[in-house]
Amino acid sequence: SQQGEEDPQALSIQEGENATMNCSYKTSINNLQWYRQNSGRGLVHLILIRSNEREKHSGRLRVTLDTSKKSSSLLITASRAADTASYFCATDTMDSNYQLIWGAGTKLIIKP
Amino acid sequence: KAGVTQTPRYLIKTRGQQVTLSCSPISGHRSVSWYQQTPGQGLQFLFEYFSETQRNKGNFPGRFSGRQFSNSRSEMNVSTLELGDSALYLCASSYTPQAEEAFFGQGTRLTVV
Repeated sequence: SQQGEEDPQALSIQEGENATMNCSYKTSINNLQWYRQNSGRGLVHLILIRSNEREKHSGRLRVTLDTSKKSSSLLITASRAADTASYFCATDTMDSNYQLIWGAGTKLIIKP
Repeated sequence: KAGVTQTPRYLIKTRGQQVTLSCSPISGHRSVSWYQQTPGQGLQFLFEYFSETQRNKGNFPGRFSGRQFSNSRSEMNVSTLELGDSALYLCASSYTPQAEEAFFGQGTRLTVV
């Protein structure tokens, strides 16, 4: 079963604009992670945020976590064509024996 | 350091056949997880192995099985293939099951005809 749900399912923006993706989950989590997947390839880890953290930055990425709303957002600033990919959130909980549970992903297209 | 290696990259099989996929984790990683990815269902967890023991298993029929060897390499097997088994099969490795980052292979694209 899926824990996370990303919103929107697809997003198309102009190069240079900011892109925001959201992830909602159902049960209390230990950590929440964001991954990127280029077309039909493996996933690449972007950033992890712990349940006791509210915001985290990594380069052009900013992740927020609101445990009261069971949601997280990923902001990519100053988007580039190379950011075109699908983005997934994944959560792990002690109840799931730390198994990662994945959302359906947001497909991001950056138009040149 | 070599990444996670999955072989083969592409595979075409006929309904009813069986298939074995292989995953070599990053050196030193002892945890290996397998996922099935399809356009309609997203990433679905298959199973996780750590030190040759299956720790977690997803909600898949018994036709899907796996194992892990003493060198941490893992294989998954699908018997009596069905058309619906066509998918990208991804393997991820990490130092431990609780590790904060999983490293993925490029996947094996299985097509069942």
